[in-house]
Amino acid sequence: QSALTQPPSASGSPGQSVTISCTGTSSDVGRYNYVSWYQQHPGNAPKLMIYEVNERPSGVPDRFSGSKSGNTASLTVSGLQAEDEAVYYCSSYGGGNNFYVFFGGGTKLTVL
Amino acid sequence: QVRLQESGPGLLKPSETLSLTCFVSGGSVSGFYWGWIRQPPGKGLEWVGYVFNSGSINYNPSLKSRVTISVDASKNQFSLNVGSVTAADTAVYFCARATSGASCYDHWGPGTLVTVSS
Repeated sequence: QSALTQPPSASGSPGQSVTISCTGTSSDVGRYNYVSWYQQHPGNAPKLMIYEVNERPSGVPDRFSGSKSGNTASLTVSGLQAEDEAVYYCSSYGGGNNFYVFFGGGTKLTVL
Repeated sequence: QVRLQESGPGLLKPSETLSLTCFVSGGSVSGFYWGWIRQPPGKGLEWVGYVFNSGSINYNPSLKSRVTISVDASKNQFSLNVGSVTAADTAVYFCARATSGASCYDHWGPGTLVTVSS
């Protein structure tokens, strides 16, 4: 099994929107609607921001949204704020009969 | 509010067994999926595995031969064992509660660094 592919970096100015991509295969992202996104600040545990492609857990601002097209999922952060600067990881269920959770390599989002 | 806290030795020698426990407060371990995720220093996340009520367990295939995850409902905790560790097992180990069919994790412990070095 291979990890999901994310761009290593992304950036935007305060108030702008940024989209981070996450590319998998037809066996994981393309097959299941179990794509999640996590935000991780330095020294902290990851925080779940999006699950099941586009669902937000309670307390996550609606500036964060998710989508999927084919084998690629995306996280969009609108109205960028300084505190959004962090590393974002995507994750997907895959493996068919053998349960497996894949993670992307992470994208460092910089707020300029 | 569910809270998780990892506990275990921070330094191991190669070939030893890594043993970590995750204490859960603010909720019961029964009826939920509980998992372990690790993160080598400066690198990304790697799923290790999960357990559900001791009856359903799944491991990362790349670690399956060395990993055991178990849950102790009487102590409201779950554990991770990784045998025959090497330097490649050096990482911050997070315990977490899974949701959405165990496909994602909504509550995390702060993580504990385990270093394997001779």
